[in-house]
Amino acid sequence: EVQLVESGGGLVHRGGSLRLSCAASGFTFRSFAMGWVRQAPGKGLEWVSSISTETLRTDYADSVKGRFSISRDNSKNILFLQLSSLRADDSAEYFCVRDTIGGSRSFDSWGQGTRVTVSS
Amino acid sequence: SYELTQPPSVSVAPGKTARLTCGGNDIGTKSVHWYQRRPGQAPVQVISFDIDRPAGIPERFSGSNSGNTATLTITRVEAGDEADYYCQVWDSDSGRVIFGGGTRLTVL
Repeated sequence: EVQLVESGGGLVHRGGSLRLSCAASGFTFRSFAMGWVRQAPGKGLEWVSSISTETLRTDYADSVKGRFSISRDNSKNILFLQLSSLRADDSAEYFCVRDTIGGSRSFDSWGQGTRVTVSS
Repeated sequence: SYELTQPPSVSVAPGKTARLTCGGNDIGTKSVHWYQRRPGQAPVQVISFDIDRPAGIPERFSGSNSGNTATLTITRVEAGDEADYYCQVWDSDSGRVIFGGGTRLTVL
């Protein structure tokens, strides 16, 4: 069974940093592209970032480019998202997602989410 | 930049058919994926690549995509189908993933 378990969320001051982690199990992690999707309170889903299997390609939403960094450790089956220069509008629930094999940005598995709250 | 348009809300009586639309310029040339988010739960993919139904998703859920509109159809709607539904595409050239604004399905 595919499991994605996020951690690292919490309360942080505006301008601060946070690192989110996603522990993956139940599948061959290194064979799948991965990503992060967020949902702010009362808003819709927003894609944040994606990373290819061997980190050859990373993509970011314009809203986070230059402030967030996605990475992965294939030896430990962990996906990361480093959040920096945080703003109030970064407050959201952040979901770790698995991409379908081949990396077509079709998210077939989702974690339960970790909440980030940026205080001013 | 590419945009997807979904109606904010759709209401349907139990046992009837719900059709949720997702509009985008020439969306028929892209692969569309659909997600369901029930309150308090993580999103779940209900349709991938326009028409594919992931394992565990009831046959009542189906998708289509042509021209400027993709559609998620839910037949014999049940109370448990009440949720927010999101369409999504990938612009492979830019690397960007685009979600629609979501449609809240209310079962009357």
